[in-house]
Amino acid sequence: SQKIEQNSEALNIQEGKTATLTCNYTNYSPAYLQWYRQDPGRGPVFLLLIRENEKEKRKERLKVTFDTTLKQSLFHITASQPADSATYLCALDTNAGKSTFGDGTTLTVKP
Amino acid sequence: EAQVTQNPRYLITVTGKKLTVTCSQNMNHEYMSWYRQDPGLGLRQIYYSMNVEVTDKGDVPEGYKVSRKEKRNFPLILESPSPNQTSLYFCASSSGLQETQYFGPGTRLLVL
Repeated sequence: SQKIEQNSEALNIQEGKTATLTCNYTNYSPAYLQWYRQDPGRGPVFLLLIRENEKEKRKERLKVTFDTTLKQSLFHITASQPADSATYLCALDTNAGKSTFGDGTTLTVKP
Repeated sequence: EAQVTQNPRYLITVTGKKLTVTCSQNMNHEYMSWYRQDPGLGLRQIYYSMNVEVTDKGDVPEGYKVSRKEKRNFPLILESPSPNQTSLYFCASSSGLQETQYFGPGTRLLVL
């Protein structure tokens, strides 16, 4: 069956460091992958989308990579800030409308 | 303001009493979707719609119905709610595939 795994439920880092979050998947051939941020009690907010034929995408302090051979995406936040503390979700999508989310990684950035 | 709205935001009901959670978007989006979020299980897709009168099952459609009679609205219907449908529900919309998905604020449902 299809499975998406995000690295450890919680990740704690010091302010200014780079946070790296992992999204691994099996038995899936996504057309694209998305990363979202979710704060407690709120809906997910879109951050970045990367397509299967793209290796890397950047947006300000955010970078995402997509390796369809390894079946893995890495999400990086550089120069992290306490305001980056949240739960980050990866989602794999087909081109048929189905969307599958990972369980999320809760990031805490300490001052 | 571009947004996805859901109503109600909070609902407590009893087993078997039919309910509808409304979802509306003002962005003229073609694609809409419903998810439920449970601790330890993440966000799971219930149903999605690629356009008016076109709906498809997600990963957990059992016990739910949807309809898409107008582009802006995508209601979620629980004909006979059960306690295992207690959850946090999110509606989302996007202008199409491979486009940003915008989520609503969520509806917290408790079925007693």
